[in-house]
Amino acid sequence: DVKVTQSSRYLVKRTGEKVFLECVQDMDHENMFWYRQDPGLGLRLIYFSYDVKMKEKGDIPEGYSVSREKKERFSLILESASTNQTSMYLCASRRGTEAFFGQGTRLTVV
Amino acid sequence: DQQVKQNSPSLSVQEGRISILNCDYTNSMFDYFLWYKKYPAEGPTFLISISSIKDKNEDGRFTVFLNKSAKHLSLHIVPSQPGDSAVYFCAASALNTGFQKLVFGTGTRLLVSP
Repeated sequence: DVKVTQSSRYLVKRTGEKVFLECVQDMDHENMFWYRQDPGLGLRLIYFSYDVKMKEKGDIPEGYSVSREKKERFSLILESASTNQTSMYLCASRRGTEAFFGQGTRLTVV
Repeated sequence: DQQVKQNSPSLSVQEGRISILNCDYTNSMFDYFLWYKKYPAEGPTFLISISSIKDKNEDGRFTVFLNKSAKHLSLHIVPSQPGDSAVYFCAASALNTGFQKLVFGTGTRLLVSP
Protein backbone atom coordinates (compact mmCIF):
# COMPACT_ATOMS: atom_id res chain seq x y z
CA ASP A 1 0.00 0.00 0.00
CA VAL A 2 1.28 3.43 -0.93
CA LYS A 3 1.60 5.73 2.02
CA VAL A 4 1.81 9.50 1.84
CA THR A 5 2.29 11.06 5.23
CA GLN A 6 1.95 14.72 6.10
CA SER A 7 3.68 15.79 9.27
CA SER A 8 0.73 17.60 10.88
CA ARG A 9 -3.05 17.29 10.72
CA TYR A 10 -3.72 20.71 12.21
CA LEU A 11 -1.51 23.79 12.53
CA VAL A 12 -2.12 27.28 13.87
CA LYS A 13 0.46 29.91 12.99
CA ARG A 14 0.75 33.65 13.38
CA THR A 15 0.86 36.13 10.53
CA GLY A 16 4.43 36.65 9.36
CA GLU A 17 5.75 33.32 10.62
CA LYS A 18 7.72 31.01 8.36
CA VAL A 19 5.82 27.74 8.08
CA PHE A 20 7.07 24.34 6.95
CA LEU A 21 4.71 21.60 5.80
CA GLU A 22 6.38 18.24 5.35
CA CYS A 23 5.33 15.31 3.19
CA VAL A 24 6.90 11.87 2.91
CA GLN A 25 6.01 9.03 0.53
CA ASP A 26 7.24 5.47 0.70
CA MET A 27 6.77 4.22 -2.87
CA ASP A 28 9.75 5.73 -4.67
CA HIS A 29 7.50 7.95 -6.80
CA GLU A 30 9.23 10.55 -8.96
CA ASN A 31 6.38 13.03 -8.97
CA MET A 32 5.14 14.87 -5.91
CA PHE A 33 2.61 17.68 -5.62
CA TRP A 34 1.29 20.27 -3.22
CA TYR A 35 -2.33 21.38 -3.55
CA ARG A 36 -4.56 23.57 -1.47
CA GLN A 37 -8.28 23.02 -1.16
CA ASP A 38 -10.68 25.89 -0.56
CA PRO A 39 -14.50 25.84 -0.64
CA GLY A 40 -15.82 26.38 -4.14
CA LEU A 41 -12.34 26.39 -5.67
CA GLY A 42 -11.49 22.70 -5.64
CA LEU A 43 -7.89 21.54 -5.49
CA ARG A 44 -5.44 24.07 -6.85
CA LEU A 45 -1.86 23.14 -7.61
CA ILE A 46 0.78 25.17 -5.80
CA TYR A 47 4.01 23.44 -6.82
CA PHE A 48 5.13 20.07 -8.09
CA SER A 49 8.38 18.20 -8.40
CA TYR A 50 9.31 15.52 -10.92
CA ASP A 51 12.68 14.62 -9.43
CA VAL A 52 15.05 15.44 -6.61
CA LYS A 53 15.93 19.15 -6.60
CA MET A 54 13.57 19.70 -9.55
CA LYS A 55 10.47 21.81 -9.09
CA GLU A 56 7.90 23.61 -11.16
CA LYS A 57 5.34 26.23 -10.31
CA GLY A 58 1.74 25.25 -10.35
CA ASP A 59 -1.22 27.57 -10.72
CA ILE A 60 -0.90 29.51 -7.44
CA PRO A 61 2.79 29.59 -6.37
CA GLU A 62 2.83 33.12 -4.97
CA GLY A 63 3.81 33.22 -1.31
CA TYR A 64 5.10 29.63 -1.36
CA SER A 65 8.33 27.81 -2.05
CA VAL A 66 9.26 24.13 -2.00
CA SER A 67 12.20 21.90 -1.29
CA ARG A 68 12.95 18.39 -2.49
CA GLU A 69 16.35 17.27 -1.25
CA LYS A 70 15.42 13.57 -1.13
CA LYS A 71 13.13 11.61 -3.40
CA GLU A 72 10.75 10.63 -0.63
CA ARG A 73 10.32 14.07 0.93
CA PHE A 74 8.66 17.18 -0.47
CA SER A 75 8.35 20.27 1.71
CA LEU A 76 6.11 23.28 1.25
CA ILE A 77 7.32 26.53 2.76
CA LEU A 78 5.24 29.59 3.49
CA GLU A 79 7.87 32.30 3.64
CA SER A 80 5.73 34.75 5.62
CA ALA A 81 2.34 33.35 6.49
CA SER A 82 -0.71 35.47 5.79
CA THR A 83 -4.36 34.99 6.71
CA ASN A 84 -5.29 34.26 3.07
CA GLN A 85 -3.11 31.17 3.29
CA THR A 86 -5.51 29.62 5.79
CA SER A 87 -6.52 26.46 3.97
CA MET A 88 -6.39 22.68 3.72
CA TYR A 89 -3.05 21.63 2.22
CA LEU A 90 -2.78 18.30 0.45
CA CYS A 91 0.35 16.49 -0.64
CA ALA A 92 0.27 13.82 -3.34
CA SER A 93 2.71 11.52 -5.08
CA ARG A 94 2.36 9.85 -8.45
CA ARG A 95 4.08 7.50 -10.87
CA GLY A 96 2.00 6.48 -13.83
CA THR A 97 -1.71 6.92 -13.66
CA GLU A 98 -3.00 7.23 -10.13
CA ALA A 99 -2.00 9.85 -7.55
CA PHE A 100 -2.03 9.10 -3.84
CA PHE A 101 -2.79 11.76 -1.29
CA GLY A 102 -1.81 12.37 2.28
CA GLN A 103 -4.40 13.02 4.96
CA GLY A 104 -4.10 16.79 4.63
CA THR A 105 -2.94 19.60 6.90
CA ARG A 106 -5.50 22.15 8.05
CA LEU A 107 -3.50 25.35 8.45
CA THR A 108 -4.98 28.38 10.21
CA VAL A 109 -3.07 31.65 10.11
CA VAL A 110 -4.17 34.12 12.77
CA ASP B 1 -8.89 29.45 -16.89
CA GLN B 2 -10.69 26.42 -15.46
CA GLN B 3 -9.68 23.48 -17.64
CA VAL B 4 -11.78 21.00 -15.68
CA LYS B 5 -15.25 22.02 -14.61
CA GLN B 6 -17.83 20.50 -12.33
CA ASN B 7 -20.83 22.76 -12.74
CA SER B 8 -22.96 21.26 -9.99
CA PRO B 9 -21.66 22.21 -6.55
CA SER B 10 -24.04 19.80 -4.86
CA LEU B 11 -26.33 16.86 -5.52
CA SER B 12 -28.87 15.16 -3.27
CA VAL B 13 -30.24 11.68 -3.95
CA GLN B 14 -32.11 9.06 -2.01
CA GLU B 15 -30.53 5.83 -0.91
CA GLY B 16 -30.86 3.14 -3.57
CA ARG B 17 -31.22 5.58 -6.46
CA ILE B 18 -28.63 6.50 -9.06
CA SER B 19 -26.20 9.36 -8.52
CA ILE B 20 -24.80 11.02 -11.65
CA LEU B 21 -21.91 13.43 -11.28
CA ASN B 22 -20.74 15.37 -14.29
CA CYS B 23 -17.45 16.86 -15.39
CA ASP B 24 -16.43 18.85 -18.47
CA TYR B 25 -12.96 19.66 -19.72
CA THR B 26 -11.55 22.03 -22.28
CA ASN B 27 -8.04 20.77 -23.00
CA SER B 28 -8.08 18.28 -25.87
CA MET B 29 -4.64 17.01 -24.81
CA PHE B 30 -6.10 15.36 -21.71
CA ASP B 31 -6.03 11.59 -22.15
CA TYR B 32 -6.52 10.19 -18.67
CA PHE B 33 -9.29 11.00 -16.22
CA LEU B 34 -9.79 10.11 -12.60
CA TRP B 35 -12.46 10.48 -9.94
CA TYR B 36 -11.57 11.05 -6.31
CA LYS B 37 -13.76 10.99 -3.24
CA LYS B 38 -13.07 13.20 -0.25
CA TYR B 39 -14.46 13.15 3.26
CA PRO B 40 -14.02 16.20 5.54
CA ALA B 41 -10.61 16.47 7.20
CA GLU B 42 -9.19 13.63 5.08
CA GLY B 43 -7.16 13.46 1.89
CA PRO B 44 -8.87 12.49 -1.39
CA THR B 45 -8.98 8.79 -2.16
CA PHE B 46 -8.90 7.37 -5.66
CA LEU B 47 -12.18 5.94 -6.88
CA ILE B 48 -12.04 5.06 -10.57
CA SER B 49 -10.28 6.16 -13.73
CA ILE B 50 -10.61 5.97 -17.49
CA SER B 51 -8.23 6.30 -20.38
CA SER B 52 -9.23 8.19 -23.50
CA ILE B 53 -9.05 4.98 -25.54
CA LYS B 54 -12.15 3.77 -23.71
CA ASP B 55 -15.62 5.21 -23.32
CA LYS B 56 -16.65 3.29 -20.22
CA ASN B 57 -15.04 1.78 -17.16
CA GLU B 58 -16.88 -0.07 -14.43
CA ASP B 59 -15.91 -1.04 -10.88
CA GLY B 60 -18.68 -2.44 -8.74
CA ARG B 61 -21.28 0.25 -8.11
CA PHE B 62 -19.18 2.88 -9.88
CA THR B 63 -19.10 3.49 -13.63
CA VAL B 64 -17.34 6.28 -15.45
CA PHE B 65 -18.40 7.29 -18.96
CA LEU B 66 -16.26 9.35 -21.30
CA ASN B 67 -17.55 11.29 -24.31
CA LYS B 68 -14.42 12.64 -26.01
CA SER B 69 -16.25 14.55 -28.72
CA ALA B 70 -18.20 16.45 -26.08
CA LYS B 71 -15.22 16.64 -23.70
CA HIS B 72 -17.49 15.31 -21.00
CA LEU B 73 -17.28 12.58 -18.42
CA SER B 74 -19.70 11.36 -15.81
CA LEU B 75 -19.60 9.14 -12.75
CA HIS B 76 -22.59 6.93 -12.05
CA ILE B 77 -23.11 5.39 -8.63
CA VAL B 78 -25.75 2.66 -8.50
CA PRO B 79 -27.22 2.06 -6.01
CA SER B 80 -26.28 5.07 -3.93
CA GLN B 81 -25.60 4.52 -0.24
CA PRO B 82 -25.42 6.99 2.67
CA GLY B 83 -21.70 6.21 3.01
CA ASP B 84 -21.22 7.66 -0.48
CA SER B 85 -21.94 11.13 0.91
CA ALA B 86 -18.73 13.05 0.26
CA VAL B 87 -17.20 15.57 -2.12
CA TYR B 88 -16.30 14.10 -5.51
CA PHE B 89 -13.55 15.59 -7.65
CA CYS B 90 -12.80 14.76 -11.24
CA ALA B 91 -9.23 15.19 -12.44
CA ALA B 92 -7.46 15.05 -15.79
CA SER B 93 -3.95 14.70 -17.11
CA ALA B 94 -2.16 14.30 -20.44
CA LEU B 95 0.02 11.25 -19.90
CA ASN B 96 1.02 10.84 -23.54
CA THR B 97 2.85 14.14 -23.36
CA GLY B 98 4.50 13.26 -20.06
CA PHE B 99 2.24 15.79 -18.41
CA GLN B 100 2.16 14.46 -14.90
CA LYS B 101 0.13 17.28 -13.41
CA LEU B 102 -3.36 16.38 -12.31
CA VAL B 103 -5.83 19.18 -12.97
CA PHE B 104 -8.85 19.04 -10.69
CA GLY B 105 -12.38 20.32 -10.94
CA THR B 106 -14.06 22.29 -8.16
CA GLY B 107 -15.89 19.28 -6.75
CA THR B 108 -19.49 18.17 -6.27
CA ARG B 109 -20.84 17.52 -2.80
CA LEU B 110 -23.03 14.41 -2.87
CA LEU B 111 -25.56 13.82 -0.13
CA VAL B 112 -27.29 10.45 -0.04
CA SER B 113 -30.22 10.39 2.34
CA PRO B 114 -31.65 7.19 3.86
